[in-house]
Amino acid sequence: DGGITQSPKYLFRKEGQNVTLSCEQNLNHDAMYWYRQDPGQGLRLIYYSQIVNDFQKGDIAEGYSVSREKKESFPLTVTSAQKNPTAFYLCASSTDITEKGFFGQGTRLTVV
Amino acid sequence: DQQVKQNSPSLSVQEGRISILNCDYTNSMFDYFLWYKKYPAEGPTFLISISSIKDKNEDGRFTVFLNKSAKHLSLHIVPSQPGDSAVYFCAASARTGNQFYFGTGTSLTVIP
Repeated sequence: DGGITQSPKYLFRKEGQNVTLSCEQNLNHDAMYWYRQDPGQGLRLIYYSQIVNDFQKGDIAEGYSVSREKKESFPLTVTSAQKNPTAFYLCASSTDITEKGFFGQGTRLTVV
Repeated sequence: DQQVKQNSPSLSVQEGRISILNCDYTNSMFDYFLWYKKYPAEGPTFLISISSIKDKNEDGRFTVFLNKSAKHLSLHIVPSQPGDSAVYFCAASARTGNQFYFGTGTSLTVIP
C-alpha cells in the first residue's frame, strides 16, 4: 500500500536536546512538507522540499532543520533553539507543490 | 497574518441535517481550495477540492461552494452522520505560489 509514514507517534525529550522526526513516503511524490499544529491554530508550514537535495523555509522555520537526501525521506530535526517545541507535527507529500498533500499520522512531541 | 480564516471554532448538528462549514480568505490570488477532515491524533485526510474556474463541486454527501467576489467558500454535508464528527480544515493556494495556507479548523459534532 502506498502511503506516508511518520514515526514515532509519540516522542518525549528533555529540554535542550535535539530530536529528529522521521517521515517516509512511497507515493513517488516529488514534494514533501512539514507542518506544525498547535491548539486553536491551523497547520503552519515549517519547511518544504520540491525535489531531492532542495528545501525551502516555510513560515515558522526558526529552530528547525531538514534534509532531503532521498526522494522518499524528509526528516525534521527540532533543535534546542526552538523555543516552544511541544506540538503535533505533520508530514505531507504531493506530486508537486501546487497539488493537494497527503498527510502522515503525525508525531506528538513533548519536551519536558 | 491569517490569510485563511475559519471563524467558527465549533459546530453541532443533528444527525440527518445539513452541516455548513465556512471559510474566508483574504488573498485574491488564491485560486485552488481544499477541505480536509481530521480526527484527533491523526493526520488530515483530503475531502474535496475546488478551483476558481468553478463555483461548486460535489462529491457524494459533500459539496463545496466558492464565492470569489466575497472570498468565501463553504462545505455542505448532507445528510450529516455521526462519523462526520471531526475537525475540518480549509486550505487555499495560488497555483503560481509555493504553499497551501490552512485555516484554524472547525470542530463538527454530529449528534445522533
